[in-house]
Amino acid sequence: KAGVTQTPRYLIKTRGQQVTLSCSPISGHRSVSWYQQTPGQGLQFLFEYFSETQRNKGNFPGRFSGRQFSNSRSEMNVSTLELGDSALYLCASSPAGQFYGYTFGSGTRLTVV
Amino acid sequence: QKEVEQDPGPLSVPEGAIVSLNCTYSNSAFQYFMWYRQYSRKGPELLMYTYSSGNKEDGRFTAQVDKSSKYISLFIRDSQPSDSATYLCAMSDDKIIFGKGTRLHILP
Repeated sequence: KAGVTQTPRYLIKTRGQQVTLSCSPISGHRSVSWYQQTPGQGLQFLFEYFSETQRNKGNFPGRFSGRQFSNSRSEMNVSTLELGDSALYLCASSPAGQFYGYTFGSGTRLTVV
Repeated sequence: QKEVEQDPGPLSVPEGAIVSLNCTYSNSAFQYFMWYRQYSRKGPELLMYTYSSGNKEDGRFTAQVDKSSKYISLFIRDSQPSDSATYLCAMSDDKIIFGKGTRLHILP
């Protein structure tokens, strides 16, 4: 059974640019959550999508957005990148309505220069 | 006060020792309590989860939840060098909130 796939694995962007990250969940999982991981703040919840609808949102500025497609694949977008956006972005999927046992991908390492 | 507090370590113990990792939390609405392990350059992987209070054992790992004290623990028996990783506690009501993780080093 394929795991959660995130692309790309590494990304270098310039301040002010925008970026789109992709996540393919485990087959059959309809919930996709996104987290930002930094050494200082740890794992911070960005948002969760379920059946193409944002079900929950963390405390991030509006520059961070996401969407989910009908096949449950998800993308997150960060506009007007700042140096502080450098982080590991992790996607996790879970079966419907399950608030435990998320399966994480290996993440996208974003570096903003 | 942060919702979930976890000592970042690092924690270094000799191979074969019993390891105790802990977290405290403030939100009494949390229902599920989890432990994840994260190796370098990898995403977190679920080790164990517990619903509400009590103990759960899985091989060398035991998870304990004390909701009255808002305190959870993970014990690792007969620790191995391959257990060296960052351990993250997590808990959920309608979303999963993580501790910052404890870096664990098992010394051969």
